[in-house]
Amino acid sequence: KAGVTQTPRYLIKTRGQQVTLSCSPISGHRSVSWYQQTPGQGLQFLFEYFSETQRNKGNFPGRFSGRQFSNSRSEMNVSTLELGDSALYLCASSPLASSYNEQFFGPGTRLTVL
Amino acid sequence: ELKVEQNPLFLSMQEGKNYTIYCNYSTTSDRLYWYRQDPGKSLESLFVLLSNGAVKQEGRLMASLDTKARLSTLHITAAVHDLSATYFCAVDIHNNNDMRFGAGTRLTVKP
Repeated sequence: KAGVTQTPRYLIKTRGQQVTLSCSPISGHRSVSWYQQTPGQGLQFLFEYFSETQRNKGNFPGRFSGRQFSNSRSEMNVSTLELGDSALYLCASSPLASSYNEQFFGPGTRLTVL
Repeated sequence: ELKVEQNPLFLSMQEGKNYTIYCNYSTTSDRLYWYRQDPGKSLESLFVLLSNGAVKQEGRLMASLDTKARLSTLHITAAVHDLSATYFCAVDIHNNNDMRFGAGTRLTVKP
């Protein structure tokens, strides 16, 4: 069974640009969560989607948005990039709506903002 | 606001020694997760603890959960170099795959 895949793996952008990251969950998984990891703030929850609906959003500005498609693939978008958005962005998938099961993480997309 | 605190944040051990990593959280939850992260890599799930008193063991690692004390421990037995990594605990209080992570414990096992 294929794992969670994320594309692209590495990305370099400049301030003010926007970026879209993609996450394909494990086949059959319907929940996709996104996390930002930085050395200073650690792992922070961005948002979670289940059956195309955003159920929760972390404490991030509106520049961070996402969506989920009917095939459970998810994208997140960051507009008007800032230097502080440089981070490893991880997505995780889970088969069910509740967390009584583990989440499986993808390899991450490393975003560098210059 | 939920707080998840791990200690120690840095741990240097000699091979063959035992040690425990602690994870405290500030609100009620009966679900606690442990992950491992190697440098430059993603997170690997180690344990899912779903009830008070839960204990799970895999190789040299054993995790336990005390929901009344809001405390989980990750015990390392007879450490080996391959265990060198950063270990995270995480809590989901909303039961909807919204996990809040501790700061991580960077473990280095020296020969």
